[in-house]
Amino acid sequence: DIQMTQSPSSVSASVGDRVTITCRASQDISTWLAWYQQTPGKAPKLLIYSASSLQSGVPSRFSGSGSGTDFTLTISSLQPEDFATYFCQQAYSFPLTFGGGTKVDIK
Amino acid sequence: QMQLQESGPGLVKPSETLSLICAVSGGSVSSSPYYCGWIRQPPGKALEWIGSLYYSGETHSNPSLKSRVTMSIDTSKNQFSLTLTSVTAADTAVYYCVRGVAAAGIVSWGLGRLVTVSS
Repeated sequence: DIQMTQSPSSVSASVGDRVTITCRASQDISTWLAWYQQTPGKAPKLLIYSASSLQSGVPSRFSGSGSGTDFTLTISSLQPEDFATYFCQQAYSFPLTFGGGTKVDIK
Repeated sequence: QMQLQESGPGLVKPSETLSLICAVSGGSVSSSPYYCGWIRQPPGKALEWIGSLYYSGETHSNPSLKSRVTMSIDTSKNQFSLTLTSVTAADTAVYYCVRGVAAAGIVSWGLGRLVTVSS
């Protein structure tokens, strides 16, 4: 199985801050990576697919980059609705696997 | 916009079988290039992929669960289902039905169904 490791596990930030979350795969997954946002009690929502493609309807302050084993999700200017938990997921091979999550909370 | 809705018992006894159905509206359950699938999330924990069913009939299940998992699609009812046998407390989780595209991530999620395994 491909292991997905996210860091940090949590980050405290203020509205307007730039936030960067990283995800590392245990082997090369090319750009077969997606990012999701989950708020408490809700289902996850797709933000980014193919490592850097923005899902329709997702604000442009979200961006993704990387290939191979190292990936980054960046929120350029944190908004109140962005306080949530973020997960990465590899779609390169079965079983599909997720990172452990990064919780973004208010400083 | 496709909508997914899980249904099924919220409480299952240990050693019994968990069964969930996902009703699909706003589109066909078997339309290419989408796949249907199930993901679960134990309380306070990360997401775990259970398995996926493709429009070609191909299915894939998590090896950690494979011998206990059965998934199927009912095109006449526009729904798909999950059964998980011999459940234990470790199977307590919110179960999500999902639709995705291989290269484009999981684009649709159900609201989630909390299933608790307890006697």
